[in-house]
Amino acid sequence: EDQVTQSPEALRLQEGESSSLNCSYTVSGLRGLFWYRQDPGKGPEFLFTLYSAGEEKEKERLKATLTKKESFLHITAPKPEDSATYLCAVLTTDSWGKLQFGAGTQVVVTP
Amino acid sequence: DAGVTQSPTHLIKTRGQHVTLRCSPISGHKSVSWYQQVLGQGPQFIFQYYEKEERGRGNFPDRFSARQFPNYSSELNVNALLLGDSALYLCASSGLLADSSYEQYFGPGTRLTVT
Repeated sequence: EDQVTQSPEALRLQEGESSSLNCSYTVSGLRGLFWYRQDPGKGPEFLFTLYSAGEEKEKERLKATLTKKESFLHITAPKPEDSATYLCAVLTTDSWGKLQFGAGTQVVVTP
Repeated sequence: DAGVTQSPTHLIKTRGQHVTLRCSPISGHKSVSWYQQVLGQGPQFIFQYYEKEERGRGNFPDRFSARQFPNYSSELNVNALLLGDSALYLCASSGLLADSSYEQYFGPGTRLTVT
């Protein structure tokens, strides 16, 4: 059975304190892995798509990487506005549109 | 450009009632997917429609149904509401084969409360 697990569940950081979020997955075949940011009560905001092991994507203070078993979202020198829940999701090769999400990592960045 | 829009924003219904949620995709996108998100969990896939045909269905009861219209907008219908249907309902649109992308862009969601 396909599975997506995110860790840690919650992360509290001081402003400027870099850290990484983990997304491990077990799927029959990976079409793509997606990272989203979600603010309370709002819809997820698309961040990155990764399609193959070794691929990396960057956007401002965020960098996503992918291996054959997991993905990492690195937050470099975070600011309070980076506080949000970060979700990862996988799309398997037997589907075009069924994203399977992890439970998310809630990140709080304090000044 | 307008993103994905959903209506209504909030909705309060009583157990046993029926509800219809609406979604308009990003202009040019022909695929719409629906998700249910309960507090503290990631979104759960309900349906995907592409070119007005159902292309995927998640593990939800038959009380849940959806359709896609010729302009690619979509409706999600839920009959005989239960307390456990209280959640944030999300719609996502994707260009799929049109732009060789599987990326899904989400709307703001509809917060459904069943009392």
